[in-house]
Amino acid sequence: EVQLVESGGGLVQPGRSLKLSCAASGFTFSNYYMAWVRQAPKKGLEWVATISTSGSRTYYPDSVKGRFTISRDNAKSSLYLQMNSLKSEDTATYYCASRGIPGYLPYWGQGVMVTVSS
Amino acid sequence: DTVLTQSPALAVSPGERVSISCRASEGVNSYMHWYQQKPGQQPKLLIYKASNLASGVPARFSGSGSGTDFTLTIDPVEADDTATYFCQQSWNDPPTFGAGTKLELK
Repeated sequence: EVQLVESGGGLVQPGRSLKLSCAASGFTFSNYYMAWVRQAPKKGLEWVATISTSGSRTYYPDSVKGRFTISRDNAKSSLYLQMNSLKSEDTATYYCASRGIPGYLPYWGQGVMVTVSS
Repeated sequence: DTVLTQSPALAVSPGERVSISCRASEGVNSYMHWYQQKPGQQPKLLIYKASNLASGVPARFSGSGSGTDFTLTIDPVEADDTATYFCQQSWNDPPTFGAGTKLELK
């Protein structure tokens, strides 16, 4: 059974940093692109970052480019999201997801909440 | 960015057929995918590349469309289908989601 388990969320002050982790199991992690997607409270979904199988290629939308960094450790079947210079608008549930080649997301974690507030 | 427009809400009776639409602001080929999200849960993939049923998803769900206009159809609708349905495109960068259609049962 595929499992993606996020951790590392919590309450953080504006301007500070936070690192999310995602532990994967049940599939060959190193064979899949991975992504982070977020959902603000009562809002829609926003794609936050993508990383290639080896980690050599990453992608970010303008809303987080330069502040967020996605990385992975294939030996540990783990995905990470380093979030710096956090803003109140980054408050959301963050989901880790595997990415199929055509760009869909077949498997999602249960999500982890990040609240940016003073 | 490619904007995906969905109707905010629909209400149908169990046993009926419902079609949920998603219109893209620019062409996305067939790279449109559909997800179901129930309250307090993560999204679940239903349909990928416009018309392909994801593993384990009941055949009551189907998808169609190409270019800019896409449809998710549920036939027949069951009580358990109460949820919000999101479309997502992956043809243009960045990947984008629709705002979601909340499906309620009468």
